[in-house]
Amino acid sequence: DSGVTQTPKHLITATGQRVTLRCSPRSGDLSVYWYQQSLDQGLQFLIQYYNGEERAKGNILERFSAQQFPDLHSELNLSSLELGDSALYFCASSVIAGLNNEQFFGPGTRLTVL
Amino acid sequence: SQQGEEDPQALSIQEGENATMNCSYKTSINNLQWYRQNSGRGLVHLILIRSNEREKHSGRLRVTLDTSKKSSSLLITASRAADTASYFCATDSNQAGTALIFGKGTTLSVSS
Repeated sequence: DSGVTQTPKHLITATGQRVTLRCSPRSGDLSVYWYQQSLDQGLQFLIQYYNGEERAKGNILERFSAQQFPDLHSELNLSSLELGDSALYFCASSVIAGLNNEQFFGPGTRLTVL
Repeated sequence: SQQGEEDPQALSIQEGENATMNCSYKTSINNLQWYRQNSGRGLVHLILIRSNEREKHSGRLRVTLDTSKKSSSLLITASRAADTASYFCATDSNQAGTALIFGKGTTLSVSS
């Protein structure tokens, strides 16, 4: 158990819908990362937050957004869902945003868009 | 975009044998990490090697890093059935803060 929790574990929805994925980092970790894992794209970095502020953006679509709250939990919002958004979404956390820090991954949310 | 590329894509061995996976990357790095993922589950951090290190050990794991060739290898000695998983190398990216850039992974199957 990494100490990172993600809810829900599974999510099935229809195209055009909007969903929210939730992540609680390890106690004391200030940095949260979101990654998407799909068969064709592999593991892709989406976005990073550090202590409530956006720190870096990766391959995140404009239909997706995220935020980190004062209690450090984070939410990833996916809207106008398309079939291609079906994937595993992982949240990871680390103590600080510096280099040479391992990241601790949650169990993931499996999103299926029908 | 992928930074690391693992080789081979898939590896099948018998229990007790050693497993070697290789990773190549494209740009300069501060560190390289290896992660394991059991089928459809979260990633587990295995080992981190800094750019100024050449070799690192952790239990049955041995990682080497050759920055001149932009490559790393992960050796798992005396493999067990429980080592069956996908293994990913990950590097930092100067363009994305401290986020990790992952390769496509090597799927290791250890049969008893």
